[in-house]
Amino acid sequence: GEDVEQSLFLSVREGDSSVINCTYTDSSSTYLYWYKQEPGAGLQLLTYIFSNMDMKQDQRLTVLLNKKDKHLSLRIADTQTGDSAIYFCAADRGSTLGRLYFGRGTQLTVWP
Amino acid sequence: DGGITQSPKYLFRKEGQNVTLSCEQNLNHDAMYWYRQDPGQGLRLIYYSQIVNDFQKGDIAEGYSVSREKKESFPLTVTSAQKNPTAFYLCASSPQDRPNTEAFFGQGTRLTVV
Repeated sequence: GEDVEQSLFLSVREGDSSVINCTYTDSSSTYLYWYKQEPGAGLQLLTYIFSNMDMKQDQRLTVLLNKKDKHLSLRIADTQTGDSAIYFCAADRGSTLGRLYFGRGTQLTVWP
Repeated sequence: DGGITQSPKYLFRKEGQNVTLSCEQNLNHDAMYWYRQDPGQGLRLIYYSQIVNDFQKGDIAEGYSVSREKKESFPLTVTSAQKNPTAFYLCASSPQDRPNTEAFFGQGTRLTVV
């Protein structure tokens, strides 16, 4: 099956940019997603990118996709303490079905 | 307000007992999913259902069972055959079971076997 890898921890200062990286193995994945999870809560979809795009920007969020290297990143500009959470990278299974493979999550800690 | 509701939030079970986790959605979504989350791990798919009265095994279905008798409801039973059931369980739904449809997640149920 798909293997989605991401680093486990990232710490940044408030106001700095955060960059969370992800790699995946299944080249047939058509959509790649970033989810946010706050403590004890479910997942919230932040953004997604279609595999034929290389960049998507949505307010403070920028997603970069290098399809050749199967590398995805999420940049959060002007990171705030409220951005502290676990961020999951996810990839679909390359078919018409919407079930996802998830990475292990990156714990983002923002210091004031 | 439309949404997806899981209950209870915390559940304790004795070894050897079956337990059922509830998941209800009023979003009129066709597809529903159960995921399991362990500490430091990503989510792993247990079961999913694309339509009423139909469901399919995910990646880690052993020791679990589901039913989909109503569109709104997709309960998950953790049976005594599940060797390591302590985990955080997340239910999700989406309009259709296809990419580029946002999956909405419930708040999760934390199951602890004592």
